Formats: sequence, structure tokens, C-alpha cells
Amino acid sequence: SAVISQKPSRDICQRGTSLTIQCQVDSQVTMMFWYRQQPGQSLTLIATANQGSEATYESGFVIDKFPISRPNLTFSTLTVSNMSPEDSSIYLCSVEGLVGLEYNEQFFGPGTRLTVL
Amino acid sequence: DQQVKQNSPSLSVQEGRISILNCDYTNSMFDYFLWYKKYPAEGPTFLISISSIKDKNEDGRFTVFLNKSAKHLSLHIVPSQPGDSAVYFCAARPQGAQKLVFGQGTRLTINP
Repeated sequence: SAVISQKPSRDICQRGTSLTIQCQVDSQVTMMFWYRQQPGQSLTLIATANQGSEATYESGFVIDKFPISRPNLTFSTLTVSNMSPEDSSIYLCSVEGLVGLEYNEQFFGPGTRLTVL
Repeated sequence: DQQVKQNSPSLSVQEGRISILNCDYTNSMFDYFLWYKKYPAEGPTFLISISSIKDKNEDGRFTVFLNKSAKHLSLHIVPSQPGDSAVYFCAARPQGAQKLVFGQGTRLTINP
């Protein structure tokens, strides 16, 4: 499996501001994803981070609100823009497909706990 | 539209006994299923998976059973240990896609 780190691990932000979350993997991976887990809810996929091209967003999520970058095979960022209290969630990065190996499982980072006041 | 459902929000089991966690799905296009365990303040940890061409997969104390006709899968943990206390998520992958669809989770508590 891969070692996945996220920064920051938690943050408390004011309404209307933006926060960028970083995800770093210790190995090259083909697929990187961003999920959200709202309080008491399941994990919901926000988007697939594509290297060198625009992310692929799931229904209900848009690029203006959640811009994503993926400059290489080991790093991605998710920005939560113009935050409101409804954005308070745990944001999770996940990866799949270590380059050179075949995997069907996704491995998750530790998550970023965001609270918006 | 909840395509993956875990109808039991919580389960309490005596240490040493068997824990059975259940998951139902509605989309017949799911072809791969996974179980994750999540501790507070940590990301989900992959436990075990099963392809739709199989009906059972075993890894140590963990066994996953898949009943395609009933669109049902279950995770058996035997014997249950205190360290197994966590939230367990069932997830499913649609055929041809990389995305995972998660259930709501079941909080398992193992009592000494």
C-alpha cells in the first residue's frame, strides 16, 4: 500500500474564506480522488483528480466551489472556496493503482477535519 | 438514492464471539465490493474485498460473503477482539468505473 499524508489535519475557518488541502503520496499512483464525509454521514466522492487535465466532478459538485489540481503522480490539492458552515466536513484524499502494480482497492489519507464558523 | 445500504447503525458483540456486519445494494452494475474500517480522527483503512465473480473471500479473521441474487454482502469477524471496535463501511464499485459508493457505516463495539 501507499503512505498518504494530508495537510492540514484540521482547521477552523471563517465563512467566506477558502482553504486549500494538500495530499501527498509516497509512491506514484495512477488515480487520486477527493471525498467528503459530512457529520454522521457516509463518504461521498467529490471528484477524480486527473493529472495534467481538469478534474472529473461528481453530480452536485462544481469546479468553482472545489477547484482541484494534480500536477504530478504523487500530489494533489483540493480547495474549498467561499466556505459556509455547510462545508464543515472531513475531506479525504484516496489513491488507487500504484504505478507498476495492479490494485483494485483505494487507500485513504488520514483526512482533514474542517470546521466553518 | 442510497445505492449501498448498511441498515444497522450500530452493533455490539462480546469479545471472542463472531461479528457479522451486513450490507445491501441496489445497483446490479456493481462488480467489486470492499470493506473499510475507520477509527475516529483517522482515514478509512482497507480490510478486505471481493469480486462479483466470487461468493466468498477470506483473510485471517475476516471473511466477506457475497450473495448476488439477494444483492447482499456481509463481513464476518471471528473471533472478535477489542481492537475491532470501529466504524465499518461497505463500498461498491460500478463496472468500468474507479469511483466507490459507500454505505452509511456500522459502528461495531466489542465488549470485554
